[in-house]
Amino acid sequence: NAGVTQTPKFRVLKTGQSMTLLCAQDMNHEYMYWYRQDPGMGLRLIHYSVGEGTTAKGEVPDGYNVSRLKKQNFLLGLESAAPSQTSVYFCASRLSGVNNEQFFGPGTRLTVL
Amino acid sequence: AQSVTQLDSQVPVFEEAPVELRCNYSSSVSVYLFWYVQYPNQGLQLLLKYLSGSTLVKGINGFEAEFNKSQTSFHLRKPSVHISDTAEYFCAVRSLSYNTDKLIFGTGTRLQVFP
Repeated sequence: NAGVTQTPKFRVLKTGQSMTLLCAQDMNHEYMYWYRQDPGMGLRLIHYSVGEGTTAKGEVPDGYNVSRLKKQNFLLGLESAAPSQTSVYFCASRLSGVNNEQFFGPGTRLTVL
Repeated sequence: AQSVTQLDSQVPVFEEAPVELRCNYSSSVSVYLFWYVQYPNQGLQLLLKYLSGSTLVKGINGFEAEFNKSQTSFHLRKPSVHISDTAEYFCAVRSLSYNTDKLIFGTGTRLQVFP
């Protein structure tokens, strides 16, 4: 099993450009999450999904959109990137049931100039 | 609302010394508690979790944590650290009663182990 994978690993964007981050998991997990990690702020939840075709807002959803068309994939989109979106983005997934932990991907480092 | 406070942003320690990383949480309902470790340039990996039962939880790499409900704490300990334990450690909490699936993270503690 590859676990949780993220594409790309690094990206540099100019302000106003758009891009999509891809998260894929091969563990048949129902739940998937997108976080951003900024220095001194820990991980903050952007959006999450509790199943194929469903999405919900997290703590910091503004400026981002997500889609979960297939159970194994969770896409994070930035329609018009801003320097404030410079961050490291992590995807996670888990099985349903509150006692199951989240498994994390290796992260995507995004810089917006 | 839930919150997690990690009281130390950085903890320097010499190799083979004991270490404690502190975590306090706030929640009006019962919670599940987690500690994750992040090695440089990697994702987060679960160290241990408290769901119920014994308040002393043992995890990977010789770490353990104790759940203290009265003090709303879940401190992480290791009796003798190694250079390879240098990493960032995150405490996280999940509420059992809210109709939500959110894991709330603390701001992290950077453990630096010196030879």
